[in-house]
Amino acid sequence: QVQLVQSGSELKKPGASVKVSCKASGYTFPNYALNWVRQAPGQGLEWMGWIDANTGKPTYAQGFTGRFVFSLDTSVSTAYLQISSLKAEDTAVYYCARDIVVATFDSWGQGTLVTVSS
Amino acid sequence: QSALTQPASVSGSPGQSITISCTGTSSDVGGYKYVSWYQQHPGKAPKLIIYEVSNRPSGVPDRFSGSKSGNTASLTISGLQGEDEADYYCSSYTSGSTVFGGGTKLTVL
Repeated sequence: QVQLVQSGSELKKPGASVKVSCKASGYTFPNYALNWVRQAPGQGLEWMGWIDANTGKPTYAQGFTGRFVFSLDTSVSTAYLQISSLKAEDTAVYYCARDIVVATFDSWGQGTLVTVSS
Repeated sequence: QSALTQPASVSGSPGQSITISCTGTSSDVGGYKYVSWYQQHPGKAPKLIIYEVSNRPSGVPDRFSGSKSGNTASLTISGLQGEDEADYYCSSYTSGSTVFGGGTKLTVL
């Protein structure tokens, strides 16, 4: 069965960087785009962008350019989200999600809580 | 890109039906068939329950149905059950990106 397994919670200080992983299994990794979605505490879902798992080309939503980087390691079927120069407002749960059609996310990782605090 | 508009909360009694609306524009909900709905229980990842406006993934009960009219999509849950109490989010494709609604908290009384 399709599974997306994300790395564990992170506690970081402002200004630091963090790298969240999302390991896929149960399907042919290059065939489906992977998206990243942010959910701040008590808030709704916010689409961050996606990465083409075949070409590695990332696309970023407005508000997620500059400090946010999507990448892949196809040899281990894993996508990564790196956030640099962390701010308190980056505190959130970050999800990866597989896109099966167009903007249709059928499988989600369990989420990774990133807490930014001094 | 502005978020799609959903009511903050809805409620219903077991066995009743409720409908959650999701209003966008002709550039998103009204312009494409790629409208999805997700159910999220507290502390859990979202779960796809409706895609392409009205299609249900395998395993989703037929109590859940979706529709669209103009720029507004709707999720209807019939025969409400206690386990349906959750947050619900709509989403739509729009010009190379995806936009979510603000979410609706469903309370089963």
